[in-house]
Amino acid sequence: KQEVTQIPAALSVPEGENLVLNCSFTDSAIYNLQWFRQDPGKGLTSLLLIQSSQREQTSGRLNASLDKSSGRSTLYIAASQPGDSATYLCAVRRNNDMRFGAGTRLTVKP
Amino acid sequence: GAVVSQHPSWVICKSGTSVKIECRSLDFQATTMFWYRQFPKQSLMLMATSNEGSKATYEQGVEKDKFLINHASLTLSTLTVTSAHPEDSSFYICSAQDSLFNTFGSGTRLTVV
Repeated sequence: KQEVTQIPAALSVPEGENLVLNCSFTDSAIYNLQWFRQDPGKGLTSLLLIQSSQREQTSGRLNASLDKSSGRSTLYIAASQPGDSATYLCAVRRNNDMRFGAGTRLTVKP
Repeated sequence: GAVVSQHPSWVICKSGTSVKIECRSLDFQATTMFWYRQFPKQSLMLMATSNEGSKATYEQGVEKDKFLINHASLTLSTLTVTSAHPEDSSFYICSAQDSLFNTFGSGTRLTVV
């Protein structure tokens, strides 16, 4: 069974900092990996999707990398803003199965 | 882009009653749909996987007789929480999968009083 771990569990940074969120998974035979954002009491917003054949994806200030062989992915957020405050979830898809990490709760202070 | 509609967005019900949550893929056919549950400050936990026209596969620890899943068409799956109790209060989210992508509904906040 795929296990997905996210580190750190919580992170608080001042506005403007660059930061890295980490995700690791135990089974490297994945189909894709996806990063989501979740605001309190809300659903999921998809940020980036990396197929298993890809190494990274970029969208604006976000960059996600994937190292399938080592079972790791990172989400890099550049020039963080207070509006980036949310919980960030990593999810790994393998065949017909998608598993989530516990998330990183990010707070960006003005 | 792909859209999944989930209804209702929130529901309050009395203990002992049943609640049905709908999940529809609006512009694509979903061969597989997933149901997740999220307790406060926890991550999403997979409850069950359903394929159109067949019985759902439940994760260990999830009672299939309590959480009834019907996937009658390629665009609709329903989750019925039967004889709901306060401990079933949670955030339920569905996901519809085509060959490439998983698209998530906006979730249903269930409160059992």
